[in-house]
Amino acid sequence: GIQVEQSPPDLILQEGANSTLRCNFSDSVNNLQWFHQNPWGQLINLFYIPSGTKQNGRLSATTVATERYSLLYISSSQTTDSGVYFCAVVRGLRGGFKTIFGAGTRLFVKA
Amino acid sequence: DAGVTQSPTHLIKTRGQQVTLRCSPKSGHDTVSWYQQALGQGPQFIFQYYEEEERQRGNFPDRFSGHQFPNYSSELNVNALLLGDSALYLCASSPGTGTGYGYTFGSGTRLTVV
Repeated sequence: GIQVEQSPPDLILQEGANSTLRCNFSDSVNNLQWFHQNPWGQLINLFYIPSGTKQNGRLSATTVATERYSLLYISSSQTTDSGVYFCAVVRGLRGGFKTIFGAGTRLFVKA
Repeated sequence: DAGVTQSPTHLIKTRGQQVTLRCSPKSGHDTVSWYQQALGQGPQFIFQYYEEEERQRGNFPDRFSGHQFPNYSSELNVNALLLGDSALYLCASSPGTGTGYGYTFGSGTRLTVV
């Protein structure tokens, strides 16, 4: 099946720093999502981005579908950005779809 | 507008027992997917329900089964619990069986098997 790899696995930043998280996937996909999971386990969708670039405040994401990777940029990081960031790819299948997650990047932002 | 609601929030069971977890989808959503998230790992897809039928299934044994009701709510059942079934179980709902737009997760049920 499709493989999703995220890097780095862990990241510690000083507040105000910028960072780039990467997601590589092994096959073509119908959609790609970035999620943030807070310490209580809630998964919040950040972007639907099967291709191209999107921005939302301090966050932006770029997916290059032909090269099978996506990047999540966090600028001017804040302590509230801490948590786990997941990349998830969506494969549409007859009668439904599957969402396959990477192992995540654990981010800790120090004050 | 209520989001995805899961119950219970926490549960402790003994090896060999059976457990039922429940999920109410977001208003307007008719597709429910279930995930298992072990500690320190990403969520793993268990199965997806639409129109009261299992539409897609991940690599989970038959001990994991589900059901969807006419009101679109869903149950996940796990039989013969193993210690390795301890995890956060997440439910996600979406409108239709497209490619993931509108995907909304619940807060999960944390299952501990002792």
